Amino acid sequence: QLQLQESGPGLVKPSETLSLTCTVSGGSINNNSYYWGWIRQPPGKGLEWIGTIYYTGNTYYNPSLKGRVTISLDTSNNHFSLKLNSVTAADTAIYYCARDRDGLWDYWGQGTLVTVSS
Amino acid sequence: QSVLTQPPSVSAAPGQKVTISCSGSSSNVGNNYVSWFQHFPGTAPKLLIYDNNKRPSGIPDRFSGSKSGTSATLGITGLQTGDEADYYCGTWDSSLSAYVFGTGTKVAVL
Repeated sequence: QLQLQESGPGLVKPSETLSLTCTVSGGSINNNSYYWGWIRQPPGKGLEWIGTIYYTGNTYYNPSLKGRVTISLDTSNNHFSLKLNSVTAADTAIYYCARDRDGLWDYWGQGTLVTVSS
Repeated sequence: QSVLTQPPSVSAAPGQKVTISCSGSSSNVGNNYVSWFQHFPGTAPKLLIYDNNKRPSGIPDRFSGSKSGTSATLGITGLQTGDEADYYCGTWDSSLSAYVFGTGTKVAVL
C-alpha cells in the first residue's frame, strides 16, 4: 500500500523559506506513470494546488505563487521536496503531498501544518 | 479566488440524496476531466470520483459523478452520518496552466 508522509518545520519566520519533504513508501517515485505534487489548505479555506513534478524532473507550478516555489525529487531516498521562499502569514496552511496519476490525486499524505510567524 | 464554484453547503436527512454542483468554464470543466474529493478536516483528502464519473476501487456506488458542458455534479445517495465532510471538485485549467479546486461544499446530515 502506497503511503506518503510530510515532514518539516511547523513554524517558519516571515520572509524565510518554507521547506518540506514528502517521503514515499510502498512504491517508487521513479516511475513514469505518476507525478508527485503539493497541495495546501489555509485555515478556514479551500484546497490550493502548489505544484507537481514528474520523475524526469519536469516541474509545473501554480502561477499564482509567482516564482516562489521549487519542487525537487530525490529518487535515491524516494522522496520529493517543496521549497517556498519569501513566506508571509498568507502561506500559513496545512501542506499535503500527493500522487498525481494523469490529472487525478489518488494518494495523499496526512498533511502537516506550517505556521508563518515571528 | 477559485474558478470553480460550488455551493457552500448542502444538507439532507439520513437515507436521502444530495447533489453538489461544480460550475466552471470551457478552460477547465468544459474540456478536462473532473475529480471529486471527500475531506474530513485534519485528515488526508480522499479521491471519490475521477474522469468525471469513475469510482476508485473501494468507493461505494452511493457516490456518483456526472458532467454536462461546463458543470459537473457529485451525487450521494443513501446519505449517512459518516458522509458529513467537505467535498471538493478539481480539474486542470488550460488557460491558467494550473490544477484548480472548487470552493468546497460542506455536507450536513440532518
